[in-house]
Amino acid sequence: GQQVMQIPQYQHVQEGEDFTTYCNSSTTLSNIQWYKQRPGGHPVFLIQLVKSGEVKKQKRLTFQFGEAKKNSSLHITATQTTDVGTYFCADSSNTGKLIFGQGTTLQVKP
Amino acid sequence: DAGITQSPRHKVTETGTPVTLRCHQTENHRYMYWYRQDPGHGLRLIHYSYGVKDTDKGEVSDGYSVSRSKTEDFLLTLESATSSQTSVYFCAISGAATSEQYFGPGTRLTVT
Repeated sequence: GQQVMQIPQYQHVQEGEDFTTYCNSSTTLSNIQWYKQRPGGHPVFLIQLVKSGEVKKQKRLTFQFGEAKKNSSLHITATQTTDVGTYFCADSSNTGKLIFGQGTTLQVKP
Repeated sequence: DAGITQSPRHKVTETGTPVTLRCHQTENHRYMYWYRQDPGHGLRLIHYSYGVKDTDKGEVSDGYSVSRSKTEDFLLTLESATSSQTSVYFCAISGAATSEQYFGPGTRLTVT
């Protein structure tokens, strides 16, 4: 079945450094959704990308969808301790199913 | 947060016993989902529902069954729990097939 690969699995950064997580697929992605899960919490929706080459920003977060719709990335500028958590990408198809990547866990040292 | 609750929040049970987890929503959303979350595997879809009495399997459905007799409730049943089903279970809801999903607080299940 379809797989969504996410790298890296873990990332430790110093507060103020940038962070990027990548989401890749061997097949064309339908739409990409990004979620954040704080330690001990539940996933929370961040954004959805639909169009090839799409770029969206939310304050310090920048989300990109690749031109071939086979990859996506989330970039955080100048990380803060509040950014700690696990970030998941998910392929969203019109069947209603989401196929999640394994997630990237971000640790931020103050 | 969306109006979505899960019960129980924690459960310890013995191998071979039946277990039912409940997801309840107050948003009148059409789609409801059950996921399990395990270290290194992210979130994996167990079953989902696209309407009352309409359900379909996800990628890890073996050993699980579901029922949806009302819009607001989606039940996940482990007919005979095994240790490999020790996990955190999340319910999610969505208003449309490609819309964002809202997750419940999760149920931590331990099978001894």
